[in-house]
Amino acid sequence: LAKTTQPISMDSYEGQEVNITCSHNNIATNDYITWYQQFPSQGPRFIIQGYKTKVTNEVASLFIPADRKSSTLSLPRVSLSDTAVYYCLVAVYNQGGKLIFGQGTELSVKP
Amino acid sequence: EAGVAQSPRYKIIEKRQSVAFWCNPISGHATLYWYQQILGQGPKLLIQFQNNGVVDDSQLPKDRFSAERLKGVDSTLKIQPAKLEDSAVYLCASSSRRTGGTETQYFGPGTRLLVL
Repeated sequence: LAKTTQPISMDSYEGQEVNITCSHNNIATNDYITWYQQFPSQGPRFIIQGYKTKVTNEVASLFIPADRKSSTLSLPRVSLSDTAVYYCLVAVYNQGGKLIFGQGTELSVKP
Repeated sequence: EAGVAQSPRYKIIEKRQSVAFWCNPISGHATLYWYQQILGQGPKLLIQFQNNGVVDDSQLPKDRFSAERLKGVDSTLKIQPAKLEDSAVYLCASSSRRTGGTETQYFGPGTRLLVL
């Protein structure tokens, strides 16, 4: 079965740039890669979505290589409030476009 | 704009009992999702509705779980009978794109279920 793979945890300090990569070998041709942020006792919250190359919004950037087998979420100048779990979401074509969340990366930002 | 509403927020039941969760999506959102999130794991899609039709329920344990969205608006997820391994957070999400695929989903706060 295809799956997505993310680092389980990452540590950072305030003001640093953090890059979290998700590997997804069998993404659907027409589907986007989406990243979500989740705080304890809350539902996931949309961060950014992209199809290829680079997308940037007010909170993050998303880098997707041409083969689309991975994606990297980039958080510039993180703060303590960015401490959360980050998930990538893709649709897996060999499972009929099933929506698959990664297992999540727990980011800890220290002062 | 009001977000996705879910109730109850917490529920404790004994195994073999039944339980139901309710979700009211963002107004106008055609697609509604139910996810199960076990502690320490990512959300797992249980069922996806497009209006009142089922798009994907391949990971729904149909012997004990059921879900409906009769009028294409709010939805109910039921578990009967519950097992210990059903202890999890049940998340509801909605999105507005009509053609499926990976859409921007808006999540509710979830219902935390504990089965004793």
